[in-house]
Amino acid sequence: DIVMTQAPLSVSVTPGESASISCRSSKSLLHSNGITYVYWYLQKPGKSPQLLIYRMSNLASGVPDRFSGSGSETDFTLKISRVEAEDVGIYYCGQLLENPFTFGSGTKLEIK
Amino acid sequence: QVQLQQSGAELAKPGTSVKLSCKASGYTFTSYYIYWVKQRPGQGLEWIGYIYPGNGGTYYSEKFKGKATFTADTSSSTAYMLLGSLTPEDSAYYFCARGAAGAYWGQGTLVTVSS
Repeated sequence: DIVMTQAPLSVSVTPGESASISCRSSKSLLHSNGITYVYWYLQKPGKSPQLLIYRMSNLASGVPDRFSGSGSETDFTLKISRVEAEDVGIYYCGQLLENPFTFGSGTKLEIK
Repeated sequence: QVQLQQSGAELAKPGTSVKLSCKASGYTFTSYYIYWVKQRPGQGLEWIGYIYPGNGGTYYSEKFKGKATFTADTSSSTAYMLLGSLTPEDSAYYFCARGAAGAYWGQGTLVTVSS
């Protein structure tokens, strides 16, 4: 199975500042079709996960453009610009390249 | 609008089974995969597998083979997951999601296994 490793475990951010979360995969997530199958999700407290970024850098519908995704074949970054109080929760990266799909262990974002 | 409505919380005894439901609305049920995800309280997310209601095809993560069984009723646009031979380690929230990317999620069902 592909292992997804996230860092840091938690991050504390002052409102208005930026935050970055890293994710590394144990194998390349770049498909031969040119698409990199890494996804980012946010699970707010007591809620279901919600999709933020799909295929490494595409913003999901309704997600503020303060969120952005980037990376290479195995190293990925979620950046949150101008962090707001509503951004608190646990962020997960996930790979959808091959079965079984796998998630990272999560990064908890807190507000200072 | 797309919605996935999951069944209510379950309290089950070890060794028994529970059947969870995920009722879809707002889209063509047979055109999208339904994925199931497990989350133990305070823990991370774990893919269980999927069913494609269009043809009933299924995939199970190795860890959940023999534990979970997916079915779908196209007449009611409802996907089901049967969890068998329950143990306390099966106590968790179970989510359904539409499509691999999970653009839409159900609200989750809490399963508690206790004698």
